[in-house]
Amino acid sequence: AQSVTQLGSHVSVSEGALVLLRCNYSSSVPPYLFWYVQYPNQGLQLLLKYTTGATLVKGINGFEAEFKKSETSFHLTKPSAHMSDAAEYFCAVRGGFQKLVFGTGTRLLVSP
Amino acid sequence: GAVVSQHPSRVICKSGTSVKIECRSLDFQATTMFWYRQFPKQSLMLMATSNEGSKATYEQGVEKDKFLINHASLTLSTLTVTSAHPEDSSFYICSAVAGQVNTEAFFGQGTRLTVV
Repeated sequence: AQSVTQLGSHVSVSEGALVLLRCNYSSSVPPYLFWYVQYPNQGLQLLLKYTTGATLVKGINGFEAEFKKSETSFHLTKPSAHMSDAAEYFCAVRGGFQKLVFGTGTRLLVSP
Repeated sequence: GAVVSQHPSRVICKSGTSVKIECRSLDFQATTMFWYRQFPKQSLMLMATSNEGSKATYEQGVEKDKFLINHASLTLSTLTVTSAHPEDSSFYICSAVAGQVNTEAFFGQGTRLTVV
């Protein structure tokens, strides 16, 4: 069975600082991995995804993530945080029948 | 990306009544739709998977008689919360996929249900 673990329920950064949100996965098959962002009272928006091929994946809004099989990780980064990045971020792995298995989420707080 | 529209965005209903939430794929045909429930400050919990023209598959612990799911067409799935109670108050989110194998899921905007 597939699962994901997000380390840190809250991450606080200053505007302009590096953003690093951690995600580790467990999968019995080659994983398809996703990062989603959720703003208050809204649905989820896909930031980026890894399926096959290049292990460094670039997404929207300047985010990127690197798939590291040896570390079973898929951490999300952004070089310079913006106030508008404050939101809830979910890592997910695709399970059977196209179901998504979500992590518990990380709330990103950005201070001026 | 493709658009999934969920309606209503907010609904308040009285205890004991039923409420219907619609999930529509606006520019693609959704072979499969998923319904999630999200408690405050928590992750998404998959409730059920619905395929067009067939009965929904519910996750363990989800009451199928309370949460009725219908996927009558390739662009519309509905979730009906029957005989709602305050503990059913939550944020409900749908997602849709367009194919059978490894396709991207697109999410609706969510519905905030409050049962009073």
